[in-house]
Amino acid sequence: EAQVTQNPRYLITVTGKKLTVTCSQNMNHEYMSWYRQDPGLGLRQIYYSMNVEVTDKGDVPEGYKVSRKEKRNFPLILESPSPNQTSLYFCASSLDRGQGGELFFGEGSRLTVL
Amino acid sequence: KQEVTQIPAALSVPEGENLVLNCSFTDSAIYNLQWFRQDPGKGLTSLLLIQSSQREQTSGRLNASLDKSSGRSTLYIAASQPGDSATYLCAVRGFQLTFGKGTKLSVIP
Repeated sequence: EAQVTQNPRYLITVTGKKLTVTCSQNMNHEYMSWYRQDPGLGLRQIYYSMNVEVTDKGDVPEGYKVSRKEKRNFPLILESPSPNQTSLYFCASSLDRGQGGELFFGEGSRLTVL
Repeated sequence: KQEVTQIPAALSVPEGENLVLNCSFTDSAIYNLQWFRQDPGKGLTSLLLIQSSQREQTSGRLNASLDKSSGRSTLYIAASQPGDSATYLCAVRGFQLTFGKGTKLSVIP
């Protein structure tokens, strides 16, 4: 089954404790991206990747890192989480970045930083 | 910078009614527009994808239209059902991908 898988789905952590949210897709998609969703602010893009070893900042990259060493994986790294990073995070992928690519989303990862 | 607006923010209709959700965008230089459904606390489910060269797409009771020149898209839902209750989001894909804030739909039995 074609899917985007995120882990963990739920996480409670404390300020400053490094964490990684993994994202994996099995559709051989080139384009992958991360979003956060907050009440009243909607979905905002954190980082995106057009292919292996190619990543770029979205609208709200501060406090996050990403890497794209393999085509199928695009982990989101919070080096020193802070309470303002409490949010619902989504990973998404599409066949290509540009014309025509339908975007597929993971189920989301709810992160709480105390 | 692309701005995407969805009006109304919330909508409540009786079961069986036909309804239209609106999405407007400021920059017509887009590749495509995608409509999603999101249930509370869940991920986004793709409903329809319209390429910039297309005028509309249909899937079952759903029909989405796109008018690039006026910066507008509509999602038409026929014969609404309580199971259609969810938040509907549109996403416009140009240089960046920009989401609207969604319309929360409640279909009352």
